[in-house]
Parts: sequence; structure tokens; C-alpha cells
Amino acid sequence: AQTVTQSQPEMSVQEAETVTLSCTYDTSESNYYLFWYKQPPSRQMILVIRQEAYKQQNATENRFSVNFQKAAKSFSLKISDSQLGDTAMYFCAFMKRLPTQGGSEKLVFGKGTKLTVNP
Amino acid sequence: GAVVSQHPSWVICKSGTSVKIECRSLDFQATTMFWYRQFPKQSLMLMATSNEGSKATYEQGVEKDKFLINHASLTLSTLTVTSAHPEDSSFYICSASRVFHNEQFFGPGTRLTVL
Repeated sequence: AQTVTQSQPEMSVQEAETVTLSCTYDTSESNYYLFWYKQPPSRQMILVIRQEAYKQQNATENRFSVNFQKAAKSFSLKISDSQLGDTAMYFCAFMKRLPTQGGSEKLVFGKGTKLTVNP
Repeated sequence: GAVVSQHPSWVICKSGTSVKIECRSLDFQATTMFWYRQFPKQSLMLMATSNEGSKATYEQGVEKDKFLINHASLTLSTLTVTSAHPEDSSFYICSASRVFHNEQFFGPGTRLTVL
């Protein structure tokens, strides 16, 4: 079974600064996806960034980037130029890749990191 | 694109009654839908996975007779909490995935309060 560990229950950062959220996972699978989701106070889950394990290049989405270390099973999220709207719970998640494209496997979530951006 | 809705957004019911929550994919066909439960300040806990036209697969520890899941069409899945009790009060979230996409799209969630 896969497990996802987020070791930082809470973090805070000053507006415009950079913060890194940690995530490690454990799996025996070789083909999988990793995700970071954001859950603001509205509780709507929002996909922040996605990484395919077979890709060596780290994914980036505007101010969000990941440091994917496959051998170490580490998948950290870096938020640059933090904004007040980044205040939210952040969940790291793992998904096994299906051999076919028929749908989606289940997501395994970490416990989350509560990020507060201070003005 | 890839919008998922849930109805109702919140519901209050009396202990012993049943409550139905709908999850709809508005602009795509969902081959698989997932139901999660989330307690305050905690992570999402997967309850069950449902594929259109077949029985749902429940996670260990989830009572299938209490949480009835129906995925009757490619755009609609329902979760019925039967004989609800206060301990069933929680935030329920659904997600949906579509063919050729290894990604889940989440609904906005339903807050259930059982008095």
C-alpha cells in the first residue's frame, strides 16, 4: 500500500517570500502520478500542480514548482512570491498509473499542511 | 471544462432519517467517481469508488449498507446516508475522472449535520 507523509502540520510565510512544503511517499509502483492540491477556506479542492513519475523534469505552474526526487521518494512544493490568496491547506497526493486510459485510480492523500501567508 | 457539482451544498437532518447527496459531472462523462469524507482539520478519507453501471467498491471500514452509492449514469453518482446519526456529521466530497485522463476533478463538497 502507498503512504504519503507531510511532516509539517503548519507553516507560515511573509507575503512575497518563498516557502517550501515537504512531502515524502512510499510505494513499490514504478508508474505513478504525484499531485499537490490546495484547499482554501471554501473547502473546494484545487489542483495546484501535477508530476508524472516517468518525467525527470520538475513540473512548474507559474509561481508553483516542485522538487521531485524519485529515488528519495520526495516531492516538495515551492511557492514563490507568496500571496495572501495562497493561504490554505495543502495536500500532497499519490495516484498509481493505470495500465490503460480507462479512468482514474484512487488518490492517496497526506495529512496536509496548513499554510498561512502573513501581510 | 471539467466541472463537478454537488447538491445540496449543506443539509441538516434529524437522527434516523436518510439523506441523499448528488454528484454531477457537468461537461464531461465520468467513468469513475469517488466519494470522500473529511472531518474538520483533517485530510480526505476515501470512502468508495464507483464506476458507471457497476457496484461501488468500498474502502475497508466503510459500512456499505449505511453509505449507499449509486452511479447510474456517466454524469451522476449519488451517496445516500441511511439512518443518519450525529457521528455521520461531516463534510462529504465527490470527485470524478474521465477517460484518457489520470486526474480527478472535485466537487465543492456537502456539509452534513445530523441533529
